[in-house]
Amino acid sequence: SAVISQKPSRDICQRGTSLTIQCQVDSQVTMMFWYRQQPGQSLTLIATANQGSEATYESGFVIDKFPISRPNLTFSTLTVSNMSPEDSSIYLCSVLRDRGEPQHFGDGTRLSIL
Amino acid sequence: AQTVTQSQPEMSVQEAETVTLSCTYDTSESNYYLFWYKQPPSRQMILVIRQEAYKQQNATENRFSVNFQKAAKSFSLKISDSQLGDTAMYFCAFYGSGNTGKLIFGQGTTLQVKP
Repeated sequence: SAVISQKPSRDICQRGTSLTIQCQVDSQVTMMFWYRQQPGQSLTLIATANQGSEATYESGFVIDKFPISRPNLTFSTLTVSNMSPEDSSIYLCSVLRDRGEPQHFGDGTRLSIL
Repeated sequence: AQTVTQSQPEMSVQEAETVTLSCTYDTSESNYYLFWYKQPPSRQMILVIRQEAYKQQNATENRFSVNFQKAAKSFSLKISDSQLGDTAMYFCAFYGSGNTGKLIFGQGTTLQVKP
């Protein structure tokens, strides 16, 4: 399985600021995804990060709030912009090497907004 | 719409015993891929087991096995000889061959293994 490095692992931020989360994979993958998870809840897909083009966002998530980049087949970033306490959550990236294979996840970023 | 339902929010089992977590799903696709993930308190999402819908044989990985009933759209996970390290939240998920690889997750089942 792919080795995924997600940084930072946790952060505490002031409201109104922005934070960028990085996801690095040790090999090229077909697809990369970003999820949000509230404590004790299931995962909610934010968007699919597309290499070289704009991300595909799920209903309820917009590019202005969650800009995503994917400059190549091994790296992606998610920015949480103009943060409010409601953005306190765990953010996870995942990768899919090829169709039919399982998604593999980074260790997640625990974000707290004061 | 594609959905996954885990009807057991919480379960507990004694160490060394067997427990079964239930999962049902709904899709109109004929081919798809099913997964169980484990998330311990450390929050890392760990793949437990996978099943291709076109394969009739149930998948097995050591102490973990599934009961896949395609007609009933059921995909339960059996954990044998439960260990304290199995304590975690378990998620059932799938994606279809026709979509973009996006996983559809169930609500999760919190499993507590008691000594």
